[in-house]
Amino acid sequence: AQTVTQSQPEMSVQEAETVTLSCTYDTSESDYYLFWYKQPPSRQMILVIRQEAYKQQNATENRFSVNFQKAAKSFSLKISDSQLGDAAMYFCAYRSSKYNFNKFYFGSGTKLNVKP
Amino acid sequence: EAGVTQFPSHSVIEKGQTVTLRCDPISGHDNLYWYRRVMGKEIKFLLHFVKESKQDESGMPNNRFLAERTGGTYSTLKVQPAELEDSGVYFCASSLHRDSPLHFGNGTRLTVT
Repeated sequence: AQTVTQSQPEMSVQEAETVTLSCTYDTSESDYYLFWYKQPPSRQMILVIRQEAYKQQNATENRFSVNFQKAAKSFSLKISDSQLGDAAMYFCAYRSSKYNFNKFYFGSGTKLNVKP
Repeated sequence: EAGVTQFPSHSVIEKGQTVTLRCDPISGHDNLYWYRRVMGKEIKFLLHFVKESKQDESGMPNNRFLAERTGGTYSTLKVQPAELEDSGVYFCASSLHRDSPLHFGNGTRLTVT
C-alpha cells in the first residue's frame, strides 16, 4: 500500500525567509500524482501545488516550488519569501493515476509557523 | 461559486451517542469524498461517492459508520454508536471529474467523551 511520510511535525520560519518541508512516499507504481495541500487555521484545505510523476521538471507556483526526486521517492516543498499568511498545516499527498485513483494518501502534516 | 460546506463545524458527544455529519459539495460535482484525520496522524480515506452511488467504501472503519448521498446532492455520515476512537476531524471533498483537483470543506471536528 502507498504510504506518505512527513517527518517534520512542526517548523518555523522567519518572515521573508525560505523554508523547505519534507515528504517521502512509498509506491511500486511508476505513474502517479503528488500534491501539497495547505490548511490555514479554521479554514478549508486548498491545493498549493501538483506534480505529475512522468514530468521531470519540478512544478512551481509563484513562491512555491517542489523538489521532486522520483528515484528517491522524495517530494519536498520550498516556500520562498515566506509571508504571515503562509502559516498553516501542510499536507503532502499521493494519488495513483491508474489504480484506486479516487484515493488520496496523505501524510500526517507539518505545521508551519511564520514569525514576523 | 460556493465551496464545499460541512456542518457542524464542531460536535462534542458522549460515547454511545449518535452523530450525523453533513456535507454539501460544490454544485455539479458528481464526486464526493469523506476523509478523516485522527489527532496528529495522517488524513485517511473513508469513501467515495459518484452521484448517489458508493464507488469505494473500503476506508470505512466498521459498520458503526454509515454514509449516504441522497439524490446525488449532499451527503451525510452517521456514526452510531460513537466510540472514543472516532474522535478526529472529518473532511469532505468534492471534484467535478474523477481526476480533477479535490475541493475540501473546513472539516467537522468530532470529540467523543
